[in-house]
Amino acid sequence: AQSVTQPDIHITVSEGASLELRCNYSYGATPYLFWYVQSPGQGLQLLLKYFSGDTLVQGIKGFEAEFKRSQSSFNLRKPSVHWSDAAEYFCAVGARMGNAGKSTFGDGTTLTVKP
Amino acid sequence: DTGVSQDPRHKITKRGQNVTFRCDPISEHNRLYWYRQTLGQGPEFLTYFQNEAQLEKSRLLSDRFSAERPKGSFSTLEIQRTEQGDSAMYLCASSDRDRGRTEAFFGQGTRLTVV
Repeated sequence: AQSVTQPDIHITVSEGASLELRCNYSYGATPYLFWYVQSPGQGLQLLLKYFSGDTLVQGIKGFEAEFKRSQSSFNLRKPSVHWSDAAEYFCAVGARMGNAGKSTFGDGTTLTVKP
Repeated sequence: DTGVSQDPRHKITKRGQNVTFRCDPISEHNRLYWYRQTLGQGPEFLTYFQNEAQLEKSRLLSDRFSAERPKGSFSTLEIQRTEQGDSAMYLCASSDRDRGRTEAFFGQGTRLTVV
């Protein structure tokens, strides 16, 4: 069965500092991987996705993530955090066979941005 | 593209009452998903439809839960005899199978509180 682990429940960074959110997955083959962001009381917005090819993927809002098969990781990074990035971030692994929409999510990392 | 729409956004109900939520997917999307998200956790898959056919149901979907998508467009999720443990955010998402590998697009969710 597939699973996702986000080891950091809560991260605090200063505005302008770099950010890395960790994600480890368990899946029997090459997975579909996603990062979503959720603001309080809102739905999920897709930041970026990995299906195949280049292991470094670029997303919206200046985010990027790197797929490392050997480490079963898909960490999210941003070089300079803005106050508006404060939110909850979810990593997810999607089912293959054309059903990437059926995903298993991690429990999320809450990002706080200090001024 | 108006996005995935969910109604209501918030619902407070007394224990034992029945509730029904509605989801309108992105118009050309033929797959529709329901997820449940409790506080401090990531979304958990409940069920999905391809057009009007319900193709998979999670073990989380007890007998008190029923979902329909009668004409392959909007979907409803009904919870009968609600319990306090049903309090959660119910998220709907949709995707387009015919486009191949693609992620699901999420709505804003319905927040259910059972008192």
